[in-house]
Amino acid sequence: SAVISQKPSRDICQRGTSLTIQCQVDSQVTMMFWYRQQPGQSLTLIATANQGSEATYESGFVIDKFPISRPNLTFSTLTVSNMSPEDSSIYLCSVDEGQETQYFGPGTRLLVL
Amino acid sequence: AQSVTQLGSHVSVSEGALVLLRCNYSSSVPPYLFWYVQYPNQGLQLLLKYTTGATLVKGINGFEAEFKKSETSFHLTKPSAHMSDAAEYFCAVSEGGGGFKTIFGAGTRLFVKA
Repeated sequence: SAVISQKPSRDICQRGTSLTIQCQVDSQVTMMFWYRQQPGQSLTLIATANQGSEATYESGFVIDKFPISRPNLTFSTLTVSNMSPEDSSIYLCSVDEGQETQYFGPGTRLLVL
Repeated sequence: AQSVTQLGSHVSVSEGALVLLRCNYSSSVPPYLFWYVQYPNQGLQLLLKYTTGATLVKGINGFEAEFKKSETSFHLTKPSAHMSDAAEYFCAVSEGGGGFKTIFGAGTRLFVKA
């Protein structure tokens, strides 16, 4: 399976600022996904990122708040913009390796004060 | 529309006892079913999956799950719990066919008592 890394692993940010999270995969993948996991809750899909096209956002998530880049087949970034304490979550990237099986990065733990 | 229900947000077992984590799903098409585990401060790790074929699937760390279409269930079991099994477990369902819409259950936290 693909090896996925994320940076930063955790951060504490002030409200109103933005944070960009990086996701690096050790092999080329077509589809990458960004999820949010709020404290004590399950995963919610933010968007699907395909290389060479605009990200597809799920209901409740908008590009202005969560801009995503996918410059190549091994890398993606998610920015959390104009943060508020409600954005405190774990943000996870994942890749699909066939049969809709997803492999996840270690996550970025974000605390917004 | 798909949905996943995990029965019990917390399950506690003694070390060496049977582990049973329950998952029921709803899907309008034959589903792909998954169990993931999340250890503290880590991402999700795939335990096992069912797509087609044999309904009893074996995964890592001694876990297995059985797809029962008549019961719309995909319960996760392990004959003998180990302290290292303490974690959060997520059941997930996907419709397959390239739709890439995986729905995750709410999760079940497994506690293992010495």
